[in-house]
Amino acid sequence: EPEVTQTPSHQVTQMGQEVILRCVPISNHLYFYWYRQILGQKVEFLVSFYNNEISEKSEIFDDQFSVERPDGSNFTLKIRSTKLEDSAMYFCASGDGLNEKLFFGSGTQLSVL
Amino acid sequence: GQQLNQSPQSMFIQEGEDVSMNCTSSSIFNTWLWYKQEPGEGPVLLIALYKAGELTSNGRLTAQFGITRKDSFLNISASIPSDVGIYFCAGMSRGRLQFYFGTGTSLTVIP
Repeated sequence: EPEVTQTPSHQVTQMGQEVILRCVPISNHLYFYWYRQILGQKVEFLVSFYNNEISEKSEIFDDQFSVERPDGSNFTLKIRSTKLEDSAMYFCASGDGLNEKLFFGSGTQLSVL
Repeated sequence: GQQLNQSPQSMFIQEGEDVSMNCTSSSIFNTWLWYKQEPGEGPVLLIALYKAGELTSNGRLTAQFGITRKDSFLNISASIPSDVGIYFCAGMSRGRLQFYFGTGTSLTVIP
């Protein structure tokens, strides 16, 4: 069964460093998302991406964040200068836009020290 | 952002019991999704609902799209230990490209 894959599963970084989180969405999907989940809290929307551009973004997704689809298969989230409060599990999700179902990857646990 | 409140926040039940949880929103949604999340994993889609009043089952799970379109319900019948996890609802409004997630219901099943 096709699935969303994310790498790495864990990332530890120093405050102020740049990180890139990688995702391979399900191959025939057209809509891509990043969500994050701080430990013990709910899943929070960051950004949606369709047709090679950002469709919607939340107030969390500030200038320190960017997304890119560098080729036909990868979808990346870059955090330019990480802060302690960026520590969270980051989930990539994708959907085909037809039946409005959203499928999630297993996440990248980001720890900012 | 949208507020989706789930209740109860947590449940401790005996194996074999039925479970009911609900999700309420301050806004109308056109799609409701229910997910289960286990520790260290991503949310796994359980059921999708698209129409007010719709009742959909997936094995022992049954979910309903509330007729006001501001709420949804999930029932689990005859719970088993592997039902343990956090259950999230997620809603989306027509024309928007983001799902809002609920606060989650943590389910513990005691064998």
